[in-house]
Amino acid sequence: KNQVEQSPQSLIILEGKNCTLQCNYTVSPFSNLRWYKQDTGRGPVSLTIMTFSENTKSNGRYTATLDADTKQSSLHITASQLSDSASYICVVSANTDKLIFGTGTRLQVFP
Amino acid sequence: EAGVVQSPRYKIIEKKQPVAFWCNPISGHNTLYWYRQNLGQGPELLIRYENEEAVDDSQLPKDRFSAERLKGVDSTLKIQPAELGDSAVYLCASSLEAGGPHEQYFGPGTRLTVT
Repeated sequence: KNQVEQSPQSLIILEGKNCTLQCNYTVSPFSNLRWYKQDTGRGPVSLTIMTFSENTKSNGRYTATLDADTKQSSLHITASQLSDSASYICVVSANTDKLIFGTGTRLQVFP
Repeated sequence: EAGVVQSPRYKIIEKKQPVAFWCNPISGHNTLYWYRQNLGQGPELLIRYENEEAVDDSQLPKDRFSAERLKGVDSTLKIQPAELGDSAVYLCASSLEAGGPHEQYFGPGTRLTVT
C-alpha cells in the first residue's frame, strides 16, 4: 500500500534554532517528492519538489534531502522564525500522477 | 498573477442540506483538483480534471457528491445531502499539467461545518 509517514507529529522549538522533519514513504513507482508548508486556515504552499535523481534542494532557509534507496526524506529549517510556525506536509507522487500526502508535522516556533 | 480563488471561505449548514463550493484556477492551468482535508490530516483527492474531463474521480462519493468544470475553467463541487462527516476543509488546486514535477497551486479552501 502506498503510504507516507511523517515524524514527529508535532514539534516545538525556540526562535533561531534549527530543526529537521522526517518523511518515510512506501510509494512505488516513485516519481517525485514534495514538501509543502500549510499555515493555519490556508492552502498548502510548495517549498521543494525533488525527482529521483535529486538528493538535495534548497529554498531559502529550507533544505530538503532525498534518499531514494531508503525511501526517506528530510526537511531542515535553519535559524527558525516565528513565521515558520505551520504544518509541513510531505507528498510523494507515483507515476500514476496521484499525490500521496502525509499527515504533516505541526511546528510551533516560540520567541 | 492571481492565485487559485475559492468561495465561500466558510460555510455552516444543517445536515441533509445541499452545499456548493466554487473554484477559479490560475489562468492557463489545464488541470484542476478538488481535495478534502480533515482536521490534522493531509489532503485527500476527490476528483481531478484535465480541461473539462474528469480523469480521476475514484475517491469521490458519487451518491452525494458531484462536480463539474464547464468550459474547462471554473469548477463547482456540490454535496447533496450533506452529512455530519462531511465537515472538513475543501481545497481546490490547479497545475499547468498533470504528471511529473509540475507545481500544484492550492486555494485557501472552504471550511465546511455540518451541524
